[in-house]
Amino acid sequence: RKEVEQDPGPFNVPEGATVAFNCTYSNSASQSFFWYRQDCRKEPKLLMSVYSSGNEDGRFTAQLNRASQYISLLIRDSKLSDSATYLCVVNRDDKIIFGKGTRLHILP
Amino acid sequence: DGGITQSPKYLFRKEGQNVTLSCEQNLNHDAMYWYRQDPGQGLRLIYYSQIVNDFQKGDIAEGYSVSREKKESFPLTVTSAQKNPTAFYLCASSESTGRHSPLHFGNGTRLTVT
Repeated sequence: RKEVEQDPGPFNVPEGATVAFNCTYSNSASQSFFWYRQDCRKEPKLLMSVYSSGNEDGRFTAQLNRASQYISLLIRDSKLSDSATYLCVVNRDDKIIFGKGTRLHILP
Repeated sequence: DGGITQSPKYLFRKEGQNVTLSCEQNLNHDAMYWYRQDPGQGLRLIYYSQIVNDFQKGDIAEGYSVSREKKESFPLTVTSAQKNPTAFYLCASSESTGRHSPLHFGNGTRLTVT
């Protein structure tokens, strides 16, 4: 089993809809969590950190469920510009583990 | 503005030649990393450095070498021993390798070896 797993998608979602996807991690010693977005043929960019109590940044909400060992990302009122691949990143000690990403297509 | 600069953006080489990819940061970050990304694949760690004059192998270090003579710079050399060098190479930095330090990426170098 991979240490960090994501549904590769693609998720095809109409503009304006709400979409959510999860990332599961296998090591309970994982300590910090992040979501990155990566546009086609570009570098990943930090979207948001994920805090234990959950956190929100505009239309984006991230949550952590330590009991079930997953993090989630919810996007409300999706825009065409939200189309990208969303990477889940988990830190454990000095190790940084990337998920392979979930592709999201927002449809006009 | 602070950031990470990778150059060049596109690089073409003939098989058998060594090539060096540049990575410079002015974020005053201690830790720097090199990743490789292949189409449809996740990021794989090549080398990382926590401090000047020190670096460690990542998951796929074979055929690569690095140096960290200055805090700002972490060049990667792709040697002729690397069997499949064509890929998208990403350099990143973070304040430290501590668990709460997110990575900041450069805009990547796309290497094609023929």
